[in-house]
Amino acid sequence: TQLLEQSPQFLSIQEGENLTVYCNSSSVFSSLQWYRQEPGEGPVLLVTVVTGGEVKKLKRLTFQFGDARKDSSLHITAAQPGDTGLYLCAGVGVDSNYQLIWGAGTKLIIKP
Amino acid sequence: ETGVTQTPRHLVMGMTNKKSLKCEQHLGHNAMYWYKQSAKKPLELMFVYSLEERVENNSVPSRFSPECPNSSHLFLHLHTLQPEDSALYLCASSQDYPGYNSPLHFGNGTRLTVT
Repeated sequence: TQLLEQSPQFLSIQEGENLTVYCNSSSVFSSLQWYRQEPGEGPVLLVTVVTGGEVKKLKRLTFQFGDARKDSSLHITAAQPGDTGLYLCAGVGVDSNYQLIWGAGTKLIIKP
Repeated sequence: ETGVTQTPRHLVMGMTNKKSLKCEQHLGHNAMYWYKQSAKKPLELMFVYSLEERVENNSVPSRFSPECPNSSHLFLHLHTLQPEDSALYLCASSQDYPGYNSPLHFGNGTRLTVT
């Protein structure tokens, strides 16, 4: 069974600080998706990374897929209160019949 | 209306009640999903329908019964639930299944409390 470990589980920082969230596995994924879920809403897709080593930027958010396609990171520069939410990674498992494998999420709070 | 709509948003039910959750998607997608979301746990896939046929049933207790009358509508019928079934139930859709090239579009969920 493929697993995705997300860390940290919870992070509370001041506005303007930088942070990184990690999504790790011992298994290979064909692609990996990042979602953000705000309170009272469903998850919304932020980005999909497909190629090992790929880097994608979405304004102040930088997503990276590991060279071996076993891990990914999300870096936020100069965090804003609007970045508050639950960040979820989900990988398309090569060894799990291409089912989507989910991490448990990182709850991020940005204090003004 | 666009996107994925779920009703009701909140539901409190006793263990002997029967209720149904409803999901409707306006995206023209071919696949629809039910997920269970509990705090600090990964999303749990419950059921998947592709072109109105059930394609996944991940060992879900029989007290949960899905129904997909057409490609735009999905129901989750609930009966004799347990308190541990209290969670956020999310409906999602994707263009195709499996969705590795088709990201999921989620509704805002139904917050279920079983008393």
